[in-house]
Amino acid sequence: SSELTQDPAVSVALGQTVRITCQGDNLRTYYASWYQKKPGQAPILVIYGKNSRPSGIPDRFSGSYTVNTASLTITGAQAEDEADYYCNSRDSSGDHLIFGGGTKLTVL
Amino acid sequence: QVQLQESGPGLVKPSETLSLTCTVSGDSITSYYWSWIRQAPGKGLEWIAYIFYSGSTNYNPSLKSRVTMSVDTSKNQFSLKLRSVTAADTAVYYCARVVQGSSWYLTWFDPWGQGTLVTVSS
Repeated sequence: SSELTQDPAVSVALGQTVRITCQGDNLRTYYASWYQKKPGQAPILVIYGKNSRPSGIPDRFSGSYTVNTASLTITGAQAEDEADYYCNSRDSSGDHLIFGGGTKLTVL
Repeated sequence: QVQLQESGPGLVKPSETLSLTCTVSGDSITSYYWSWIRQAPGKGLEWIAYIFYSGSTNYNPSLKSRVTMSVDTSKNQFSLKLRSVTAADTAVYYCARVVQGSSWYLTWFDPWGQGTLVTVSS
């Protein structure tokens, strides 16, 4: 099995840039996807693959990779970006899907 | 536009079986993999299982002994059964479409259903 490790909480000042990371050995092989989760709402896909955004996701959201870490960057964070963010990928077997523990983003 | 809708009992007794169905509209269920994911109160997201229209399945190893997924192509639905539930299975259960990118190395969930809260209690 494998794990995806995320910082539990991150904060950013309104309009500033924040990076949320997801670390795991399986990310050397498999790409991650990122989800925004607000209370009482279903998760929304914000980034998948190297750096692809679904239609309707603002371009202030971007993704990147280094070795075994995937990152979600929000450039010019807005109040509405305050949410929990989860990364997801396949585990080392390739057969199962796993989520990181989630990062709570606070926009100050 | 693809839409997914979960349905099933909101209350299940301990030791019984949780049964949920996801109805897919706007797309054929034969085109993708389909998945169940849950979020317990105050916890993170947990992948449960996914299924292909052919019936091929993959389960979270931690739940595998209690979970069964099935698909009904005639109704464009897929289902989840979780046996011998306990309070730890209380969660919001989401169904989602699994999208496979150009290679096996890229997979994502999109879209998701709105979720349904299932409480395990006597």
